[in-house]
Amino acid sequence: QKEVEQNSGPLSVPEGAIASLNCTYSDRGSQSFFWYRQYSGKSPELIMSIYSNGDKEDGRFTAQLNKASQYVSLLIRDSQPSDSATYLCAVNSPISGNTPLVFGKGTRLSVIA
Amino acid sequence: DAGVIQSPRHEVTEMGQEVTLRCKPISGHDYLFWYRQTMMRGLELLIYFNNNVPIDDSGMPEDRFSAKMPNASFSTLKIQPSEPRDSAVYFCASSLDAYEQYFGPGTRLTVT
Repeated sequence: QKEVEQNSGPLSVPEGAIASLNCTYSDRGSQSFFWYRQYSGKSPELIMSIYSNGDKEDGRFTAQLNKASQYVSLLIRDSQPSDSATYLCAVNSPISGNTPLVFGKGTRLSVIA
Repeated sequence: DAGVIQSPRHEVTEMGQEVTLRCKPISGHDYLFWYRQTMMRGLELLIYFNNNVPIDDSGMPEDRFSAKMPNASFSTLKIQPSEPRDSAVYFCASSLDAYEQYFGPGTRLTVT
């Protein structure tokens, strides 16, 4: 079983719509959750962190965490073409030994103007 | 702060040659990570350091790969000898707490 799973996409949404990106993880001991945005040919950029169940909002971005169901999601409101990128979910995974963070392979988002 | 700095940004070399990638972490960050990213395998952790000490190198593919961190502001990842399958983007990242990691721009390595 993969430790952090994401749908590879592409996820296509029209400009102005809400984009919903999902991530599931296998380690129930995970406590820290992160979303990174990676534009094509660029490096991953940290955009959100969440540590407690519930929602965390930052501008147009909302991270949602449900530890009981072992999923974390990222909502992007009023999606813009500039949001088109690959979004990586990262989770701390105690059962992975010494590895601090385990990354998913990312979901490619395409916002259509 | 300038962020994480990596050099070179692009490297093209022939199979069998030695390759050295360099990284300067964000000042004050105690953790430094080396990752490799390919389309097939995604982002893979190769090795990470805490206070200049290697903590986990289980991701290093084989003995051809080595990494050092002689001081808090500099790290190298060396591949000797290089092989075509080493072609990838190599990222360095640094962190205060090992979790919120900040990535450098990466080195795109092509081994022919």
